[in-house]
Amino acid sequence: SQELEQSPQSLIVQEGKNLTINCTSSKTLYGLYWYKQKYGEGLIFLMMLQKGGEEKSHEKITAKLDEKKQQSSLHITASQPSHAGIYLCGAEPNTGNQFYFGTGTSLTVIP
Amino acid sequence: GAGVSQSPSNKVTEKGKDVELRCDPISGHTALYWYRQSLGQGLEFLIYFQGNSAPDKSGLPSDRFSAERTGGSVSTLTIQRTQQEDSAVYLCASSLLGPTGYGYTFGSGTRLTVV
Repeated sequence: SQELEQSPQSLIVQEGKNLTINCTSSKTLYGLYWYKQKYGEGLIFLMMLQKGGEEKSHEKITAKLDEKKQQSSLHITASQPSHAGIYLCGAEPNTGNQFYFGTGTSLTVIP
Repeated sequence: GAGVSQSPSNKVTEKGKDVELRCDPISGHTALYWYRQSLGQGLEFLIYFQGNSAPDKSGLPSDRFSAERTGGSVSTLTIQRTQQEDSAVYLCASSLLGPTGYGYTFGSGTRLTVV
């Protein structure tokens, strides 16, 4: 079963606008991963967060993990058409052997 | 079932043995993906099935790895002569056809440990 809530489900923004995607878990997370999928292609690993309060950036994409390690946000600054795709969060709970994914956020950037 | 089902959830095997991992996608989902997740690393694409088309095997790491999808539904990933570096969580996902923006549904994975 899916343990991660991702919001919004879809997002349409004008090029140049900022946007945020959220990923929330009911459990404390051991590791939180962000991925991107371009339509028709495989998943691309963006970044992994492990420590409470951790923040990482890659180009114009910044991801944060809250102090309780139950929520992460992905923020894109000055969005471009190349940012379009499906963004997925994935997580390992502290215990157990499973890996969970959110249902994804479809991002469209209008030039 | 309502979700993607993978079995077994855990598999411990001896080096050199063959293993089979199974994935039951959501009924009606024509696309099926296999990924591998190693601890602390990003998801590694393995293979992609889409309908009756020839699968995209570009991600399979070696010829010890193979996968089948029978009847457009259940898929089996086979690893022959397992090595310790094969230890990982193997994830299966299915989705509706095409770049419509619908998300994936992932199974909860099979954790493979090669000892």
